[in-house]
Amino acid sequence: GAGVSQTPSNKVTEKGKYVELRCDPISGHTALYWYRQSLGQGPEFLIYFQGTGAADDSGLPNDRFFAVRPEGSVSTLKIQRTERGDSAVYLCASSEGTAYSPLHFGNGTRLTVT
Amino acid sequence: AQSVTQLDSHVSVSEGTPVLLRCNYSSSYSPSLFWYVQHPNKGLQLLLKYTSAATLVKGINGFEAEFKKSETSFHLTKPSAHMSDAAEYFCVVTSGNTGKLIFGQGTTLQVKP
Repeated sequence: GAGVSQTPSNKVTEKGKYVELRCDPISGHTALYWYRQSLGQGPEFLIYFQGTGAADDSGLPNDRFFAVRPEGSVSTLKIQRTERGDSAVYLCASSEGTAYSPLHFGNGTRLTVT
Repeated sequence: AQSVTQLDSHVSVSEGTPVLLRCNYSSSYSPSLFWYVQHPNKGLQLLLKYTSAATLVKGINGFEAEFKKSETSFHLTKPSAHMSDAAEYFCVVTSGNTGKLIFGQGTTLQVKP
């Protein structure tokens, strides 16, 4: 079946611009996660949704970052006033939502801020 | 707080020889531990997981890992490396019961012909 889909696969933007990154989770998965992976590093947690609500947003680095999941399926990660340090691969994952459910990751969106 | 430390940033082996990727964890309670693999330009894939059942966990592609509480370790092994095993490997621990994952820094596995 279809896996987690992330669009776009690549995004180049200028410093100071606004960007939106989209994640389509596996159908029926109630939990959705956003991670950020910088070059040579492991993924870092940003935010976790259970259904429509953000259950844990402790990983968002500052108030320029925001994410929504209005209907409990597709999620959008929004970054305002982008900075060069925001350049990274942004990963989305979904799961069935129980404690031991494996996370299924998308291929990520590579964001480059020039 | 939960954390994992991958002891080697880069491991190089010859095809057909054993693989050992080392991971130590820190957790204030009984952890759930995972190994994920990331091939170039592909998404992260779950290799195996430990969730307090058997301490020796078997995963896909011939990989296995042993949970050793006394050593706080969860090392990944494979008896015989294939060229296709060349990738980045991440040791991962859960934080709480939400499924939130804490990743190690990763180990790059190189397999030489």
